[in-house]
Amino acid sequence: DAGVIQSPRHEVTEMGQEVTLRCKPISGHNSLFWYRQTMMRGLELLIYFNNNVPIDDSGMPEDRFSAKMPNASFSTLKIQPSEPRDSAVYFCASSRGTSGGDLDEQFFGPGTRLTVL
Amino acid sequence: GENVEQHPSTLSVQEGDSAVIKCTYSDSASNYFPWYKQELGKGPQLIIDIRSNVGEKKDQRIAVTLNKTAKHFSLHITETQPEDSAVYFCAASTGNFNKFYFGSGTKLNVKP
Repeated sequence: DAGVIQSPRHEVTEMGQEVTLRCKPISGHNSLFWYRQTMMRGLELLIYFNNNVPIDDSGMPEDRFSAKMPNASFSTLKIQPSEPRDSAVYFCASSRGTSGGDLDEQFFGPGTRLTVL
Repeated sequence: GENVEQHPSTLSVQEGDSAVIKCTYSDSASNYFPWYKQELGKGPQLIIDIRSNVGEKKDQRIAVTLNKTAKHFSLHITETQPEDSAVYFCAASTGNFNKFYFGSGTKLNVKP
């Protein structure tokens, strides 16, 4: 398997522009997680999905952030409009997981480094 | 909710020495404790994990210990090598949808 795939790997944009980050989870995994990593705040969980349904979006910082998972093999994280403080590395991770208490590894993608000027 | 604290934030050791990173957690329902290694420019990668029915687990030069009574777990790296230099994260999970609560990370520097 190719692992979790994220695109683009780097994104530079100007304040006010819309940014869309993409993620393809590992086939067969039913949980998908979006994280943001900064020096100041470390790894923050933004939102996670199970079987394509958003379970908890309490980590999404503002209404400018939105995420979708239209099918089991694709998810997007959108920021509109973007601001300089959104500059960070955004990771997508996937795992096998259910509400039944399954315990399993999360597999992380390589991340998208976002710079908002 | 769960709160995971990790110490130290930075750790510098000489090649060949041992390194220990410690984490505490607050939710007694947590029963899965993975450790991730993040190299520069890459995503975190699992290096070892432990479940609550086990007190210690070892994999070559790395080991993890768990004390459920005290709610703390530790990562031990023996005979450190320069390629061990990275940021290490601990995490805890109750298993619900496999959501992880991560510690703040430890930057390990192994000096040759």
